[in-house]
Amino acid sequence: AQSVTQLDSHVSVSEGTPVLLRCNYSSSYSPSLFWYVQHPNKGLQLLLKYTSAATLVKGINGFEAEFKKSETSFHLTKPSAHMSDAAEYFCVVSSGYALNFGKGTSLLVTP
Amino acid sequence: SQTIHQWPATLVQPVGSPLSLECTVEGTSNPNLYWYRQAAGRGLQLLFYSVGIGQISSEVPQNLSASRPQDRQFILSSKKLLLSDSGFYLCARGREALNEQFFGPGTRLTVL
Repeated sequence: AQSVTQLDSHVSVSEGTPVLLRCNYSSSYSPSLFWYVQHPNKGLQLLLKYTSAATLVKGINGFEAEFKKSETSFHLTKPSAHMSDAAEYFCVVSSGYALNFGKGTSLLVTP
Repeated sequence: SQTIHQWPATLVQPVGSPLSLECTVEGTSNPNLYWYRQAAGRGLQLLFYSVGIGQISSEVPQNLSASRPQDRQFILSSKKLLLSDSGFYLCARGREALNEQFFGPGTRLTVL
């Protein structure tokens, strides 16, 4: 079965500093991996996706993630945090018809 | 454009009352549709998915049910709500070729 583990439930950064949200995956074959963002009381928005093309994936709003098979990781990064980045972030692995979500990482951005 | 509508946006219901949440999709035909629940402090849990009219698969046994009376309509129901049914309910549409899903704005359900 495909699953993901988000290693931090909360991450706090200062505005203008780098963001790192960690995700490890477990999959018996080459997975499709995603990062979604959810702002308070809103639906989910796709940030980026990995589908076995380039291992470094660029997404919206300056986010990117690198697929590392040797480490079974798919960490999300951004060089410089903005106040509007404060939200809940979900690492997700595709399992056939369905998506398996991590428990989420809450990103706090302080001035 | 492809849009997902969910109604209502928020709902407060007493324990034991019935429930009906509606999801409608525009701009696509024969989509795969999904219902997820997000409880406080937890990730999303897949409840039901549907690959076509009248075709429903349940992922988690519980007091909820789903129906798909029309191609672009997906309904989540309950005959008697429990306190544990409180949460944020999200409808999603699948995009098979890329294994990704697009989500509606969600319904916040509070059971008192």
